[in-house]
Amino acid sequence: DAMVIQNPRYQVTQFGKPVTLSCSQTLNHNVMYWYQQKSSQAPKLLFHYYDKDFNNEADTPDNFQSRRPNTSFCFLDIRSPGLGDAAMYLCATSRDIVGGLVHTQYFGPGTRLTVL
Amino acid sequence: EDQVTQSPEALRLQEGESSSLNCSYTVSGLRGLFWYRQDPGKGPEFLFTLYSAGEEKEKERLKATLTKKESFLHITAPKPEDSATYLCAVQVTDSWGKLQFGAGTQVVVTP
Repeated sequence: DAMVIQNPRYQVTQFGKPVTLSCSQTLNHNVMYWYQQKSSQAPKLLFHYYDKDFNNEADTPDNFQSRRPNTSFCFLDIRSPGLGDAAMYLCATSRDIVGGLVHTQYFGPGTRLTVL
Repeated sequence: EDQVTQSPEALRLQEGESSSLNCSYTVSGLRGLFWYRQDPGKGPEFLFTLYSAGEEKEKERLKATLTKKESFLHITAPKPEDSATYLCAVQVTDSWGKLQFGAGTQVVVTP
């Protein structure tokens, strides 16, 4: 089945220790997104890639970076995690967003990040 | 400013007790409205997309409807496995495709 895969499902890191979360997809979608979701809150978009074109949300902290080496993979790097970065991180994909068409975003299972 | 508000925040139902969730939106122009289901500790699972007022979609015990100001998710004769948080999100016409989410409605269905 075509899907969005996130690894690891659970990640524990120490305050200030860099961490990388990964996302892969078999849907062949050209748009990939990273969201942060804290308990009982709506998902908050951090950034998205349209093909290799990186688009940062205005309020995403510099502490968060991303890489997309190819169509299938995308990584979220947190350079110096703080206690406030503990959250669920969700990866999503969608088809082409050009032309004003509506394309559904499909989400992965998420990575739960704990910062000690 | 575009806004999406879901109500109630939480809903507790007996098995078989039908109910509706509300998603009201204030946006400059609606391109699409999405409903997702999210189980604890998992990513949102896509349910429906609605594009224009008057549209309805159904899947098993769920039915989504759309008006010019709000959407309803009706749950008919719910079962315990329908327990989840239901998220509503809108895509507006002057955006590149960004979704704006509501905070969700947490539904618990007891046997």
